[in-house]
Amino acid sequence: GQSLEQPSEVTAVEGAIVQINCTYQTSGFYGLSWYQQHDGGAPTFLSYNALDGLEETGRFSSFLSRSDSYGYLLLQELQMKDSASYFCAVRPYGGATNKLIFGTGTLLAVQP
Amino acid sequence: SQTIHQWPATLVQPVGSPLSLECTVEGTSNPNLYWYRQAAGRGLQLLFYSVGIGQISSEVPQNLSASRPQDRQFILSSKKLLLSDSGFYLCAWSGRSGGADYNEQFFGPGTRLTVL
Repeated sequence: GQSLEQPSEVTAVEGAIVQINCTYQTSGFYGLSWYQQHDGGAPTFLSYNALDGLEETGRFSSFLSRSDSYGYLLLQELQMKDSASYFCAVRPYGGATNKLIFGTGTLLAVQP
Repeated sequence: SQTIHQWPATLVQPVGSPLSLECTVEGTSNPNLYWYRQAAGRGLQLLFYSVGIGQISSEVPQNLSASRPQDRQFILSSKKLLLSDSGFYLCAWSGRSGGADYNEQFFGPGTRLTVL
């Protein structure tokens, strides 16, 4: 089966940089995605890595290393509004190719 | 632009009562549709997905069922609710062009269900 593990909670201060890790066990997948979910709200798409390496979108960057079965989301210049849960997700090979498997989620608390 | 609607926003139901949650998508055709459940402080559990009208795949054996009577309508139902059915139910859609289109899912605002 597939599983994606994330730290349950991360705390950082405003203006700092934080990295949220995602380690996975899956036989193969098309790419790694990241979603943000504010308390009580719907998840929203942040980024997608189809290939190994770093993808940058403004203050957020996402990294994938298939050889290490590992990825991360990097948030720079943290703001209070970045306090939210963050989920990694993969679309596995085989079977139905249109479903995502989500990670366990990381609750990020940004403090003043 | 595309939008996704879910209703009701919140629902309190007694154990043993039926359930019907509705999700509709606007501004796109032939989307993939998904139902997720999220327990408090937990991750997203995929319940059902659909690639077309009348085509439903179930991910987890449970007390729920899904139907897709129209291209952009997805319904989650139960004949008799259990306490364990409480949670935050999210509907989502994705495109069908392949590649990155499959990896980005767009979520509705969700329905918070409490079974008492």
